[in-house]
Amino acid sequence: SAVISQKPSRDICQRGTSLTIQCQVDSQVTMMFWYRQQPGQSLTLIATANQGSEATYESGFVIDKFPISRPNLTFSTLTVSNMSPEDSSIYLCSVLGHTNTEAFFGQGTRLTVV
Amino acid sequence: AQTVTQSQPEMSVQEAETVTLSCTYDTSESDYYLFWYKQPPSRQMILVIRQEAYKQQNATENRFSVNFQKAAKSFSLKISDSQLGDAAMYFCAYRRGWDMRFGAGTRLTVKP
Repeated sequence: SAVISQKPSRDICQRGTSLTIQCQVDSQVTMMFWYRQQPGQSLTLIATANQGSEATYESGFVIDKFPISRPNLTFSTLTVSNMSPEDSSIYLCSVLGHTNTEAFFGQGTRLTVV
Repeated sequence: AQTVTQSQPEMSVQEAETVTLSCTYDTSESDYYLFWYKQPPSRQMILVIRQEAYKQQNATENRFSVNFQKAAKSFSLKISDSQLGDAAMYFCAYRRGWDMRFGAGTRLTVKP
């Protein structure tokens, strides 16, 4: 299994500001994934982050709005930029386990934009 | 694109009873993984059970078991002897390679 520490667990932010979410894994992993979960909804993949290269974004998500860093094999950050109330969601980071079978998740960050 | 469908937005079960959550998926691939994840109010996504598509035998983990029908592309979760701690959102998920897709979720309520 993989243990993921995600910070902050929650935050309330003013519109127009930015928030950076950190994700630390207890072992080296190739790919890290960032998801958004809007209230009462399922998980939607934002982007996939590979160490040493640009993140790959899903349709509807752009780098200017959700810049991602992946400086090494155990750490990644997701920034939510120029926030609006529509960005209020739970954001989760995820990795595949060492057998590359199941996904493991951080505790999630509950973001509220006011 | 692969899609995962959970047709039951909400389900309810009496404590100690059995409940089955439904999931269907669409894929043209023959090699993939299927999962059930549980998300309690704490937001933590917890793996409940997994199934490799190449295995015919249904996966079982204690009180949790699946009915995997590959030809029908169906993957239901049976929870036996339901406990209050089973109350949560349950997500069915499909994965092949780096691509992982989730269903809309089923909210399970357990009545004492």
